Amino acid sequence: GESVGLHLPTLSVQEGDNSIINCAYSNSASDYFIWYKQESGKGPQFIIDIRSNMDKRQGQRVTVLLNKTVKHLSLQIAATQPGDSAVYFCAENSLNYGGATNKLIFGTGTLLAVQP
Amino acid sequence: DGGITQSPKYLFRKEGQNVTLSCEQNLNHDAMYWYRQDPGQGLRLIYYSQIVNDFQKGDIAEGYSVSREKKESFPLTVTSAQKNPTAFYLCASSESVSTNEKLFFGSGTQLSVL
Repeated sequence: GESVGLHLPTLSVQEGDNSIINCAYSNSASDYFIWYKQESGKGPQFIIDIRSNMDKRQGQRVTVLLNKTVKHLSLQIAATQPGDSAVYFCAENSLNYGGATNKLIFGTGTLLAVQP
Repeated sequence: DGGITQSPKYLFRKEGQNVTLSCEQNLNHDAMYWYRQDPGQGLRLIYYSQIVNDFQKGDIAEGYSVSREKKESFPLTVTSAQKNPTAFYLCASSESVSTNEKLFFGSGTQLSVL
């Protein structure tokens, strides 16, 4: 069945270091992927997205890499700051739900803990 | 919160009671969604609505009901039939339900059982 999972449930990094959060997906038909950031007690915030016709996309201090061969997605955060501490979710768009309905399948999340 | 307002932030339900969670958006989005979040699990889709007066069941609709009488509003009722209602509930919206649309989320409602 479809699944989106994360390799590491918790990632601890030092302030100023780069962070890499990984995600594996199983549906090779998925063509759209999103990373969300969720702070404690709040709703997820959109960070960056990528379509399957790309293998890399950059935002402000963040980069998403997509490797369709091994169905792997990663989020890189440069110069990690204390404010980056949160749970990060990846999500894939499943095209097989109710026709053309946009259904996102979410991973369980990785907790990023930034140490000062 | 990206123009999506959920209320209340905390809600307590007594056994046998129905409770309603509010979700309002001012983004002029056609599509709205309700997700349930449990510790250690990914978000699970309860219901979604593509347009006013239309809604569809998601993966875990049993014990829940919704309405979409206005474009801006998509309230969720947790009925007494939902035996394990304690969770963090997230409302979201997108411009449409066509593929490749990112969701914008509200700040969530934590529902607990007394």
